[in-house]
Amino acid sequence: SYELTQPPSVSVSPGQTATITCSGDKLENKYTCWYRQKPGQSPVLVMYQDSKRPSGIPERFSGSNSGNTATLTITETQPIDEADYYCQAWDTSTVFGGGTKLTVL
Amino acid sequence: QVHMVESGGGVVQPGRSLRLSCAASGFSFSDYAMHWVRQAPGKGLEWVALIAFNGKSESYADSVKGRFTISRDNSKNTVYLQMDSLRHEDTAVYYCARVSNVDGDYGDFDYWGQGTLVTVSS
Repeated sequence: SYELTQPPSVSVSPGQTATITCSGDKLENKYTCWYRQKPGQSPVLVMYQDSKRPSGIPERFSGSNSGNTATLTITETQPIDEADYYCQAWDTSTVFGGGTKLTVL
Repeated sequence: QVHMVESGGGVVQPGRSLRLSCAASGFSFSDYAMHWVRQAPGKGLEWVALIAFNGKSESYADSVKGRFTISRDNSKNTVYLQMDSLRHEDTAVYYCARVSNVDGDYGDFDYWGQGTLVTVSS
């Protein structure tokens, strides 16, 4: 079965750039998206079709997908960005990555 | 606006059954595929099942295949998850989620319910 690998944790200082990766075999051949989940809340879509931002998501969020890696980049990271982030890949099936805890300190 | 509310969770003994419901509103329910995603306590998201917009196709994760059944009633704007032969490892918050694209079974999930907790325990 297809698997996606994310780093368990990423730490960044406020105002710096956070980069969260998601790796899978020939991932560029699939669509990827990203979710943000804060404690006790449902996931929220923050990036879809690799690099498109849903309405309401700040321009600080960007995404890419090339080769075996999809990347979510958050510039000027703020304390409110602290959350778990999950990638998802889909084509004729779907799978989630294991999640990355983003800490802003 | 789009709103989805899950119900039916609770505590159930191993081997027993439970049926979850997800009532949707604020969009044309019969146009969209619907999915169930679960999250065990302290763990990540796991895709569980999908049902096509018209109910004519379904797909399941290997972990639940043969035990869970997804269905929908477009006249009631509701999707269901029948869970049989429950195991301890099925303990999780179960979310229903809507696929963003009208014409596909798979896609990103642009709307999620608030989740309902299922605890399998003797």
